[in-house]
Amino acid sequence: SQQGEEDPQALSIQEGENATMNCSYKTSINNLQWYRQNSGRGLVHLILIRSNEREKHSGRLRVTLDTSKKSSSLLITASRAADTASYFCATDAKYGNKLVFGAGTILRVKS
Amino acid sequence: DAGVIQSPRHEVTEMGQEVTLRCKPISGHNSLFWYRQTMMRGLELLIYFNNNVPIDDSGMPEDRFSAKMPNASFSTLKIQPSEPRDSAVYFCASSLKVQATNEKLFFGSGTQLSVL
Repeated sequence: SQQGEEDPQALSIQEGENATMNCSYKTSINNLQWYRQNSGRGLVHLILIRSNEREKHSGRLRVTLDTSKKSSSLLITASRAADTASYFCATDAKYGNKLVFGAGTILRVKS
Repeated sequence: DAGVIQSPRHEVTEMGQEVTLRCKPISGHNSLFWYRQTMMRGLELLIYFNNNVPIDDSGMPEDRFSAKMPNASFSTLKIQPSEPRDSAVYFCASSLKVQATNEKLFFGSGTQLSVL
């Protein structure tokens, strides 16, 4: 079963707007990662946040982690048409060795 | 570096045929993963290797699936015999260190498999 579940399933915004995607998970984790997948391509790593971190930034990306709520969010600021893609969170079970992906959020940025 | 290289990019075969998917990880990477992606089930981890040794194959759906990693630069995923429900995109990924959950994965472009 999937460890992480993204919300919403799909999101459509205008270029320049911010996009927020959420990920909830069930068991304790060591790390949480976010990936992007463009249509017909493999996944590309965006950012990794550890369980003892609360927030991380990378360019226009901001990731937060709330371990008490077992949730994470990915914020893309000033979105561009090129941000159109599926976004996945991936988590490990705290005592496991596997990275398990959620179902993903499909983001469409309209120009 | 060329990244993770998968072949073929597309494979169309008939039910009952043997299918072999190939992967070349990034040079120097010590872990290799095979994932399968479908609309219904999302991304599923099939098997992963550390230092060429299979560590966890609990995600392999049936005995029809097998994977090998004879050396650090090559892995295969074989389906024999193939069935229509095996139709999916199969991804290979690699990571630098053995403890993959705190390492980022580098994915190949995938093999789109269609079993008729």
